[in-house]
Amino acid sequence: KNEVEQSPQNLTAQEGEFITINCSYSVGISALHWLQQHPGGGIVSLFMLSSGKKKHGRLIATINIQEKHSSLHITASHPRDSAVYICAVLRKETSGSRLTFGEGTQLTVNP
Amino acid sequence: SAVISQKPSRDICQRGTSLTIQCQVDSQVTMMFWYRQQPGQSLTLIATANQGSEATYESGFVIDKFPISRPNLTFSTLTVSNMSPEDSSIYLCSVERRLNTEAFFGQGTRLTVV
Repeated sequence: KNEVEQSPQNLTAQEGEFITINCSYSVGISALHWLQQHPGGGIVSLFMLSSGKKKHGRLIATINIQEKHSSLHITASHPRDSAVYICAVLRKETSGSRLTFGEGTQLTVNP
Repeated sequence: SAVISQKPSRDICQRGTSLTIQCQVDSQVTMMFWYRQQPGQSLTLIATANQGSEATYESGFVIDKFPISRPNLTFSTLTVSNMSPEDSSIYLCSVERRLNTEAFFGQGTRLTVV
């Protein structure tokens, strides 16, 4: 079982739909990242969370530390939101911090 | 935030050759990380590069295959040596700021070995 699991693996939506991507993890963490990867491979950090909820434009991220679960929501989705969304947890180890990544959710938003 | 310039963005290489990927950061950072993302897979850490010391490699990765340089606090290179088609992947560098848990990523290098 992976330490970080995302669902769904693939998601197709119509423009304007509300989208939710889920992330569950099984290890103790100091923070959780939501990342966006575009077809060229480059990655942009959308959010870093250690508790509660953050909002940036049409994107909302929440985390429940007790339940070890986070969600990324996209309101009023748009075709330009099409990308791979990756959940990554940051663990503090004696050798330094370490990111563990989920396998990503491929989102396609159709016009 | 940190701006990371990673080069090249993509390359097609012949098997048996080597490719060096560069990662330049616009500010000093303590730790730099190199990741590989094989097709359809999640990111896997290759090694951690600290300035002034040898890189620390993860299980399954060795220095002879992936030599890393870290000559100063703003620059690092990863070389993929003696390439085979199995090395075709996206390679990414990432940085972590001192006393900061934020992570920043380069644009990625999409490598195809033929």
